[in-house]
Amino acid sequence: EDQVTQSPEALRLQEGESSSLNCSYTVSGLRGLFWYRQDPGKGPEFLFTLYSAGEEKEKERLKATLTKKESFLHITAPKPEDSATYLCAVLSGGGADGLTFGKGTHLIIQP
Amino acid sequence: KAGVTQTPRYLIKTRGQQVTLSCSPISGHRSVSWYQQTPGQGLQFLFEYFSETQRNKGNFPGRFSGRQFSNSRSEMNVSTLELGDSALYLCASSLDPGGSGYTFGSGTRLTVV
Repeated sequence: EDQVTQSPEALRLQEGESSSLNCSYTVSGLRGLFWYRQDPGKGPEFLFTLYSAGEEKEKERLKATLTKKESFLHITAPKPEDSATYLCAVLSGGGADGLTFGKGTHLIIQP
Repeated sequence: KAGVTQTPRYLIKTRGQQVTLSCSPISGHRSVSWYQQTPGQGLQFLFEYFSETQRNKGNFPGRFSGRQFSNSRSEMNVSTLELGDSALYLCASSLDPGGSGYTFGSGTRLTVV
């Protein structure tokens, strides 16, 4: 059974204070690892897809990296508008069970 | 380009009733997946449809069902509603099943009283 664990559950940072969110996963053949951002009352917004260990992707202040067991979402010099819940999800080899999501990291950036 | 559209945005139903939720995918996307999001369980996979066929299903009771039409629009139905069915129901579309990226709608907030 695929499993995804995200840590920390919640994180409060000062504006400009960089940090990283962790996503540990166990899957039977990784087809893709996805990062989403979710604001209250809205659906998840796609950020990145990573397919193989060593892969990295960047978008503005966000950078996602992938190893064989975990992924990190690095946030550099965050702004208050980066406050949201960040979700990690995996799609396994057969793709038979849809995306398996972690519980998310609730990030708050204080001005 | 238009995103994934889910209707209605909010619903209040009584225990024992049934409900139908609708999802219109991004134009050209042929795969539609449904997820249930609750504070306790997070996002859980319900089922996925591709070319009008249910491709796979998550661990939910038979009261949860769905279908997809020839224009790729999808509906999900929940019969005999229970209080525990209260959740945000999210639809996601993709070009094909798995891998190419999933775009989510804003969801339908269902409250069962």
